[in-house]
Amino acid sequence: QVQLKESGPGLVQPSQTLSLTCTVAGFSLTSYNVHWVRQPPGKGLEWMGVIWNTGGTRYNSALKSRLSISKDTSKSQVFLKMNSLQTEDTATYYCARGDLGPHFDYWGQGVMVTVSS
Amino acid sequence: DVVLTQSPATLSVTPGERISLSCRASESVDTYLHWYQQKPNESPRLLIKYASQSISGIPSRFSGSGSGTDFTLSINGVELEDLSIYYCQQGNSLPFTFGSGTKLEIK
Repeated sequence: QVQLKESGPGLVQPSQTLSLTCTVAGFSLTSYNVHWVRQPPGKGLEWMGVIWNTGGTRYNSALKSRLSISKDTSKSQVFLKMNSLQTEDTATYYCARGDLGPHFDYWGQGVMVTVSS
Repeated sequence: DVVLTQSPATLSVTPGERISLSCRASESVDTYLHWYQQKPNESPRLLIKYASQSISGIPSRFSGSGSGTDFTLSINGVELEDLSIYYCQQGNSLPFTFGSGTKLEIK
């Protein structure tokens, strides 16, 4: 059974770094890509970046200078780090499995992150 | 970046209606266009992949069509449980982008 679950702090102070973990089950990170997508409250979806099954990464250019995605295949975990957080980074952050296309066939439940002092 | 324009932004519907939602791309995305449904306080759910391919477990009243720049998601006989926001997403070129969504409301 494919599952993804995000975890991390619910509150981050402005200018600090956000660290999130996506723990997956039911598939291997060596076979599938994992994407990060975020959604500000009441707004639409924004693709942030991907870690390919090979370990390579690609980022949304709007976030590229602040964003880093990595993984630990043995632990079935994908990590997101984003620095210099501002209030506009307040959002629900999702990890999603990427299949060919790519389309996102399985999503985590999301983790709400608020950037506030 | 490929811009996806969804219309209408909001659609008021009567249960049982057949409806169509539009997604237009700023450049061709071939058939690398996928549709998602998002209910309040839930994660998005994949409805249609590659413009028209069905997904296991999704009711057959949902269908998709189109290629290139113009795409349509149709619901044949809207049900109350379909009241959601629908997003299109292109996977043809980086960065992958989403449309701004169409919200279905009860008339």
